[in-house]
Amino acid sequence: DAGVIQSPRHEVTEMGQEVTLRCKPISGHDYLFWYRQTMMRGLELLIYFNNNVPIDDSGMPEDRFSAKMPNASFSTLKIQPSEPRDSAVYFCASSAGQAYGYTFGSGTRLTVV
Amino acid sequence: QQQVKQSPQSLIVQKGGISIINCAYENTAFDYFPWYQQFPGKGPALLIAIRPDVSEKKEGRFTISFNKSAKQFSLHIMDSQPGDSATYFCASERNSGDKLTFGTGTRLAVRP
Repeated sequence: DAGVIQSPRHEVTEMGQEVTLRCKPISGHDYLFWYRQTMMRGLELLIYFNNNVPIDDSGMPEDRFSAKMPNASFSTLKIQPSEPRDSAVYFCASSAGQAYGYTFGSGTRLTVV
Repeated sequence: QQQVKQSPQSLIVQKGGISIINCAYENTAFDYFPWYQQFPGKGPALLIAIRPDVSEKKEGRFTISFNKSAKQFSLHIMDSQPGDSATYFCASERNSGDKLTFGTGTRLAVRP
């Protein structure tokens, strides 16, 4: 298995633009998580899905952020409009359950200028 | 807010020494305590995990010590190597299917 695949690896965009981050989880994993990592705030859980259904989105910063999981093999995190304070590394992770831990992707480094 | 407090923020150890990273949690309902290792440019990767029914778990040079009454757990890296230089995160989870709560991370540097 290729692991959790995220795209793009790097994204530079101007303030106000829409940004879409993509994630392909490991096949057979029922859970999908979106995290944001910054030096100041560490790893923050934004939202997670179980069997494609959003379970907890309490970490989503504000209405500018939205996430979807239309099927078991694909998820998107969208920021519209983007702001400089959204600059961070965004990680997607998937899991088959607690006993198996999380498998993280390599992340998307987002820079909003 | 469920919290996991991690210390120290950074750690420098000589090659061959012991690295010790500590975490404390608040929620007594947590029943799963993993440690993740992150190298620059990569996502965190599961290193070792423990459940509260045991006080210690060892895998190679890595050991988790768990103190249920104190609500604390720690990672010990024996014979630390330069290749262990990374950021380490402790985490806690309440039950299967719930979300992991991560500590703030410890940046470990092992000097040759």
